Amino acid sequence: EDQVTQSPEALRLQEGESSSLNCSYTVSGLRGLFWYRQDPGKGPEFLFTLYSAGEEKEKERLKATLTKKESFLHITAPKPEDSATYLCAALQLNDYKLSFGAGTTVTVRA
Amino acid sequence: DAEITQSPRHKITETGRQVTLACHQTWNHNNMFWYRQDLGHGLRLIHYSYGVHDTNKGEVSDGYSVSRSNTEDLPLTLESAASSQTSVYFCASSEPGQGTDTQYFGPGTRLTVL
Repeated sequence: EDQVTQSPEALRLQEGESSSLNCSYTVSGLRGLFWYRQDPGKGPEFLFTLYSAGEEKEKERLKATLTKKESFLHITAPKPEDSATYLCAALQLNDYKLSFGAGTTVTVRA
Repeated sequence: DAEITQSPRHKITETGRQVTLACHQTWNHNNMFWYRQDLGHGLRLIHYSYGVHDTNKGEVSDGYSVSRSNTEDLPLTLESAASSQTSVYFCASSEPGQGTDTQYFGPGTRLTVL
């Protein structure tokens, strides 16, 4: 059974304090690993897709990386506006359905 | 700009009533999905469709149904609402064959069943 596990569940950071979120996955053939940001009361907003081990993508203070078993979302020098829940999801070969992790809620204090 | 909309945004209903949540996308995407989001469970797939007249059950489909009569819309029906169906519901769409299969989400519908 496909599984996506995110850790930690919650992360409290001081502004400027860099950290990483983990997403581990067990799927029978990964086609893509997705990261989304979700603000309270809103739908998930697409951030990145990673397709192969070793791939990295960056957007402002966020950088996503992928290995054969897990993905990391690095937040460098976060600001309060980076506070959100970050979701990862795995897309299996020969399918269009995503399997989501439960998310990591990040709070950045000024 | 293309978008995906959901209505209503908030709904309160009573146990046993039939409820329909609307999802409309102007991306012209073939794939559409319904999820529910509950604390501690993340997003769980209810039903999905890969084209007009195609519908499939997801992992938590009991008590829900969908129909796809056109490309733009995938309404979600709760046949007889139960308190366990109190949740936030999200619709999403994607287009296969464009290399990314990225799903784009609507703003959500918060449903309360009393």
